[in-house]
Amino acid sequence: EPEVTQTPSHQVTQMGQEVILRCVPISNHLYFYWYRQILGQKVEFLVSFYNNEISEKSEIFDDQFSVERPDGSNFTLKIRSTKLEDSAMYFCASSSLAGASETQYFGPGTRLLVL
Amino acid sequence: QKEVEQDPGPLSVPEGAIVSLNCTYSNSAFQYFMWYRQYSRKGPELLMYTYSSGNKEDGRFTAQVDKSSKYISLFIRDSQPSDSATYLCAMSGWSSSASKIIFGSGTRLSIRP
Repeated sequence: EPEVTQTPSHQVTQMGQEVILRCVPISNHLYFYWYRQILGQKVEFLVSFYNNEISEKSEIFDDQFSVERPDGSNFTLKIRSTKLEDSAMYFCASSSLAGASETQYFGPGTRLLVL
Repeated sequence: QKEVEQDPGPLSVPEGAIVSLNCTYSNSAFQYFMWYRQYSRKGPELLMYTYSSGNKEDGRFTAQVDKSSKYISLFIRDSQPSDSATYLCAMSGWSSSASKIIFGSGTRLSIRP
C-alpha cells in the first residue's frame, strides 16, 4: 500500500540553526500539507501546497518557514532560524485531489528537538 | 470558545466493552468529519470519514454526526487491546482547493485485557 514517508525520523538542532524536513508524498498525489504537534497538544495545520504554490497557511507559518517541491518526488519544510518553541512532531500529508472531501494521508512524522 | 473540543481522557475500559468518544465544534462551516487513530509516536491514521449529518458504520466502528447540535461521536464495539491509542476527531469545511483539517486534542483510550 502506498504511503507517505518522512526523513529524518528524529532531528536535534541548536537554536538559530536551519533545518530541512523532508517528505515523499504518495506518488500520484498533487496536494501536500505540513502539520505539527507540540508534545501533549493537538495536531495543528501549518501550510498546504499545490502546483508549486502555497494554497493556505496558518498564523504559525511565519517568515521563518518555507516549503518547496524541489523535484518530482520530494516536498520539504525549511525552518530558517529555529527557536525552542519549534520543538514538535512535524507531519507531512498528501491527497490526490483538492477539496475537503479528499482524504489526507499522513506520514510517520519527524520529531524535531531544538536545544 | 475553541473551534473543536474533545475530552483528552485518559479513558480505560475492559476488553469487549463499547467505547464512546465525542467531540463538539463551534464552526457551522464544517462539512466533513473524520476520526483518526494515532499510536504513540506515529502519524494520524484515518479511521472513519463522514459528510454532513448521519451515521456511518465500518466493522466495529460507527461514526455519528449531528450538525444541529455540532456534536460528533465514534463508537467502538467489542473493543480490543489493539484499539488502545489516541483517537483524534477532525473536521474541515467546504473548499475547492487544498483544505486544512482542524483536529481535536485527542482522547487517549486504553483497553484492558
